[in-house]
Amino acid sequence: DSGVTQTPKHLITATGQRVTLRCSPRSGDLSVYWYQQSLDQGLQFLIQYYNGEERAKGNILERFSAQQFPDLHSELNLSSLELGDSALYFCASSLRVDGISEAFFGQGTRLTVV
Amino acid sequence: KNQVEQSPQSLIILEGKNCTLQCNYTVSPFSNLRWYKQDTGRGPVSLTIMTFSENTKSNGRYTATLDADTKQSSLHITASQLSDSASYICVVISGGYNKLIFGAGTRLAVHP
Repeated sequence: DSGVTQTPKHLITATGQRVTLRCSPRSGDLSVYWYQQSLDQGLQFLIQYYNGEERAKGNILERFSAQQFPDLHSELNLSSLELGDSALYFCASSLRVDGISEAFFGQGTRLTVV
Repeated sequence: KNQVEQSPQSLIILEGKNCTLQCNYTVSPFSNLRWYKQDTGRGPVSLTIMTFSENTKSNGRYTATLDADTKQSSLHITASQLSDSASYICVVISGGYNKLIFGAGTRLAVHP
């Protein structure tokens, strides 16, 4: 158990809908990262937060947004869903953003868009 | 452009055999390099973390090497077990912002 909790584990929704994925980082970790992993693909970086502030942005679509709350949990909002958004969405957390702190991954949310 | 390339893409070995996975990177500035193991449908789990000055690091049957001059790393798995079947991902951390740059992974299958 990495200590990073993601909910829900599975999500099935229809095209055009909006969903929210939730991530609780390890206790004490200030940074949260979101990744998308499509079938048989590598992890694609979406966005990173540190202590409530956006720190880095990757290939995140405009239909997607995220935030990190004062209690450090994070939510990833996906809207106007398309079939191609079906993927595993992983959250990771690290203590700092110093280039050394290890990133621990949650078990992911499997999103299926039908 | 920051890139991490892994080879082979996939590998099948028999239980008990050894194997070596390769990682080449063009990432600057370099902070450290990590190998993760990802079981199907699960989150990646860290195996080793190597900084610029480290050449070799072991974690049980896993041994990682790093050549910072040639920007190459390898992960050697000794006496493979069926439970080693997974994807092995090389991740290079760039700079001071903990920017993780992922390779596409090597999918390892260990057969009895």
